Amino acid sequence: GDSVTQMEGPVTLSEEAFLTINCTYTATGYPSLFWYVQYPGEGLQLLLKATKADDKGSNKGFEATYRKETTSFHLEKGSVQVSDSAVYFCALSERSGGYQKVTFGIGTKLQVIP
Amino acid sequence: DTAVSQTPKYLVTQMGNDKSIKCEQNLGHDTMYWYKQDSKKFLKIMFSYNNKELIINETVPNRFSPKSPDKAHLNLHINSLELGDSAVYFCASSRSSRAVAGVYEQYFGPGTRLTVT
Repeated sequence: GDSVTQMEGPVTLSEEAFLTINCTYTATGYPSLFWYVQYPGEGLQLLLKATKADDKGSNKGFEATYRKETTSFHLEKGSVQVSDSAVYFCALSERSGGYQKVTFGIGTKLQVIP
Repeated sequence: DTAVSQTPKYLVTQMGNDKSIKCEQNLGHDTMYWYKQDSKKFLKIMFSYNNKELIINETVPNRFSPKSPDKAHLNLHINSLELGDSAVYFCASSRSSRAVAGVYEQYFGPGTRLTVT
């Protein structure tokens, strides 16, 4: 079945550091890929998405590129801020058994210190 | 307007009690979900309904029973609560999971923190 693997964390960075959170996936077809962010005490919200190979999703300074050859969708940001402290979830959706099925990674906690 | 709302936000109760969590979405979506998030932030899908039809029923104790009176509502009833049920429960919605094409992103509610003592 489908699976999403991401680094467990926590990841601790100083403000303005470069961020990479790795995400790799296993899927039978051509999934859509997502990054969701969960701020403390809140629900998950979509951060960015990509629907086909070589697509780059971007939002709020975060970027991720759909790499089919390496089955990866790594999240990057050039300069993190304290306000980026949150849990980040990589996810994919793929059609299976007549409906779209979503698979989430375990989540990576990011802590940015001033 | 809140897109996906849940009530209550906090729920503290004793073992053996029965409780319900309500969820409503005003996005016009056809599919709704319940997730359980443990203390390590691991997110586990419990149920999914598409237009009031149950389509995902993961390995969840039968003490948990979802009910969808219409496609905008998906409630979760839990019987005989146990200590291990303590977690944050999230409701989510999306466009129809039966759709053949298109992007399939989910919209989450704020969560209900359930504490069983």
